Amino acid sequence: GAVVSQHPSRVICKSGTSVKIECRSLDFQATTMFWYRQFPKQSLMLMATSNEGSKATYEQGVEKDKFLINHASLTLSTLTVTSAHPEDSSFYICSATGGKLDYGYTFGSGTRLTVV
Amino acid sequence: GENVEQHPSTLSVQEGDSAVIKCTYSDSASNYFPWYKQELGKGPQLIIDIRSNVGEKKDQRIAVTLNKTAKHFSLHITETQPEDSAVYFCAASLYNQAGTALIFGKGTTLSVSS
Repeated sequence: GAVVSQHPSRVICKSGTSVKIECRSLDFQATTMFWYRQFPKQSLMLMATSNEGSKATYEQGVEKDKFLINHASLTLSTLTVTSAHPEDSSFYICSATGGKLDYGYTFGSGTRLTVV
Repeated sequence: GENVEQHPSTLSVQEGDSAVIKCTYSDSASNYFPWYKQELGKGPQLIIDIRSNVGEKKDQRIAVTLNKTAKHFSLHITETQPEDSAVYFCAASLYNQAGTALIFGKGTTLSVSS
């Protein structure tokens, strides 16, 4: 079946630094990628939608200059948290759809970001 | 935009009992309704989904029903087992300018005691 590989699974960084999270679709072409953020014991909140080769569309309240999304190829999308602060600590999850998935959404395993 | 409400937030059942989780959505254009199971520290795993042209779908112990008129859909788990304990999320599709995203409910923590 469709697989999305997300790395790293856990990352700890210092305040003010930037962190990059990668999501790769291993056996299909991900024409559309979605990025979610999940705080402890809460739901998945959609941050942005990106299509290969296009600028991402951000949800209201999500700072596009802080959360940089790149979807330069059909198999790779990255989320960079710039100038991270402790309040950015969260679980970030990507999801991909495309090709023959016919409305299927494949989720990555998530990245636990801790900013100290 | 789409708003998905999910109830209950917590559900405790005895092993062998049935569990039902209900969701409502607001956007009548939504046409895809998946259910996910999430274990601690992991990404959500699809357990069953239903499209708007179907009223019910079943896969072994799991079933989903959809009422498009009332804009609600439900997850039914029969003969629950301790390994069913997890957080369950419903979702509904929402078309935006960039694509069709999934909007999630707030989740239900299911506890199955033996």
